[in-house]
Amino acid sequence: GAGVSQTPSNKVTEKGKYVELRCDPISGHTALYWYRQSLGQGPEFLIYFQGTGAADDSGLPNDRFFAVRPEGSVSTLKIQRTERGDSAVYLCASSAVAGENYEQYFGPGTRLTVT
Amino acid sequence: KQEVTQIPAALSVPEGENLVLNCSFTDSAIYNLQWFRQDPGKGLTSLLLIQSSQREQTSGRLNASLDKSSGRSTLYIAASQPGDSATYLCAVRSGTYKYIFGTGTRLKVLA
Repeated sequence: GAGVSQTPSNKVTEKGKYVELRCDPISGHTALYWYRQSLGQGPEFLIYFQGTGAADDSGLPNDRFFAVRPEGSVSTLKIQRTERGDSAVYLCASSAVAGENYEQYFGPGTRLTVT
Repeated sequence: KQEVTQIPAALSVPEGENLVLNCSFTDSAIYNLQWFRQDPGKGLTSLLLIQSSQREQTSGRLNASLDKSSGRSTLYIAASQPGDSATYLCAVRSGTYKYIFGTGTRLKVLA
């Protein structure tokens, strides 16, 4: 079946603008995760959803970042008043359910550039 | 707090050479450890997953070992090929759903 997909693949925006990044998980996967990968670094956890609710948003850097998953499938990561430091690759992953036994499958990422 | 380190940060080898990538973690109470491959502009591809009760996993030319007590894992790549050129990431899970990643090793195999 299809893997995790993310759109857009690339996004260039000006400082101060609002952006939305979309993630389509593997069909039937109830758990969805967002990670951020800065240049030369490994991915860092941002937030995870079990179903529609954000079960852990402790990785979100500040209140400019927000994510939703209203129907328990597609998720949107929203960034307000973007800053140059937000430039990174945003990766989405999904797993059948949350938990250590379940492998996370990653999408190709969205490369965000804030100018 | 769990921290994951990968050495070297970058590696360039001639084709055909056997090589070892290193990963170390500070908290030995891990649930599992996973090696990923990342090609430029692409997502993460899982290579090998080692459960905490296992010592090693093998897939084709790849072999990953785990020594929990010393906080170390190695990824051995036999007979390297130019197509192996990529960034290799190590990640651990320590009793939570989150992956804690290292910073990666950028491998270049020269033809």
